[in-house]
Amino acid sequence: QVQLQQWGAGLLKPSETLSLTCAVYGGSFSGYYWSWIRQPPGKGLEWIGEINHSGSTTYNPSLKSRVTISLDTSKNQFSLRLSSVTAADTAVYYCASLYCSGGACYSFFDYWGQGNLVTVSS
Amino acid sequence: DIVMTQSPDSLAVSLGERATINCKSSQSVLYSSNNKNYLAWYQQKPGQPPKLLIYWASTRESGVPDRFSGSGSGTDFTLTISSLQAEDVAVYYCQQYYYTPPGFGQGTKLEIK
Repeated sequence: QVQLQQWGAGLLKPSETLSLTCAVYGGSFSGYYWSWIRQPPGKGLEWIGEINHSGSTTYNPSLKSRVTISLDTSKNQFSLRLSSVTAADTAVYYCASLYCSGGACYSFFDYWGQGNLVTVSS
Repeated sequence: DIVMTQSPDSLAVSLGERATINCKSSQSVLYSSNNKNYLAWYQQKPGQPPKLLIYWASTRESGVPDRFSGSGSGTDFTLTISSLQAEDVAVYYCQQYYYTPPGFGQGTKLEIK
């Protein structure tokens, strides 16, 4: 059973960089794809981006200029950095795993972290 | 981006009755090469992450009760709960994964009447 545990700073000032890390337990790390998704308070879900086992990334075009997703295979972890944050980036941020089957992975999400509320306020 | 539109925004159903949530995509999510619809449904309860219910528009995730079913093809999809239970109170989201970026509907809040 895969478990995702995430952590990072919860309160940021405008223009700072958001940084979150997600650790994967109980399953294979290599060969899978990993993603970050966010949810502003009381609102819907927004896909931020994903990274595959070899470190290749795909980002949401709306955030691409500010987002970096990276991998640390030695620790079974992946991370999110979002630069130059504003109040509009206030949200619960989730890490998640993509569904993989038959050697292919698809961008829907079968395991999720618990979520981290990140608040941007001066 | 592909726009996913759910209806209704909120729904109140009596215990034991059927609940139906609709999802419409602005472009078809049916991939002709494998005849699969790239559409998933999630359930989200307060303070929890979303839980995967349905993928390929109609395949139930392991452990999901069989009162949950998905149907539809192309641009129009439906999530049906055949007999509403108290624990089904939640917000439900559809999501397309055919196009990049993957996109979610705005959510449908399901309550007990």
